[in-house]
Amino acid sequence: GAGVSQSPSNKVTEKGKDVELRCDPISGHTALYWYRQSLGQGLEFLIYFQGNSAPDKSGLPSDRFSAERTGGSVSTLTIQRTQQEDSAVYLCASSLATGGWGEQYFGPGTRLTVT
Amino acid sequence: SQQGEEDPQALSIQEGENATMNCSYKTSINNLQWYRQNSGRGLVHLILIRSNEREKHSGRLRVTLDTSKKSSSLLITASRAADTASYFCATEYTTSGTYKYIFGTGTRLKVLA
Repeated sequence: GAGVSQSPSNKVTEKGKDVELRCDPISGHTALYWYRQSLGQGLEFLIYFQGNSAPDKSGLPSDRFSAERTGGSVSTLTIQRTQQEDSAVYLCASSLATGGWGEQYFGPGTRLTVT
Repeated sequence: SQQGEEDPQALSIQEGENATMNCSYKTSINNLQWYRQNSGRGLVHLILIRSNEREKHSGRLRVTLDTSKKSSSLLITASRAADTASYFCATEYTTSGTYKYIFGTGTRLKVLA
């Protein structure tokens, strides 16, 4: 079946511009996660959606970052007034887990480059 | 803060040899998971071991968990060139009734043909 998809696969933007990254989770997965990964580094948690509960935004690095999940499915991560340090691969994952995070299925990522 | 740290950071072995990588963490966990990341297939879940389990196997993978030492190891037996990838541990824990999840910094494994 279809896995997690993300778009765009690559995004180059100028410093100060806003960007939107999209994630389509696996159908039926109630949990959705956003991470970012800088070159050669591990994954940094950003935000976690679980069903209709309020999202866990504790990982968002600044108020320039926001995310929403419409209809319990597609999610959009928005970065306003991008900075060069925002350059990274942004990964989305989804899982069936309703208690705890469980096994996560990852998308291919969006590589964001801020010039 | 809770963090998974893998050791070694990089490992290079010959095809057919076994590869062992370790993960240490700081606080009590619900479970620990291992993931593999390579350029071809992205990040893929390998195995999950719960806090009340000590060892799990999946094919050529063997994972152990020692909660008293707050550490886990991933053993890949009879390695293949296709095992070349970065391997990450991720720990799930609960704080103030909220689930949290932390990825380690990864071990870069290179298997030489």
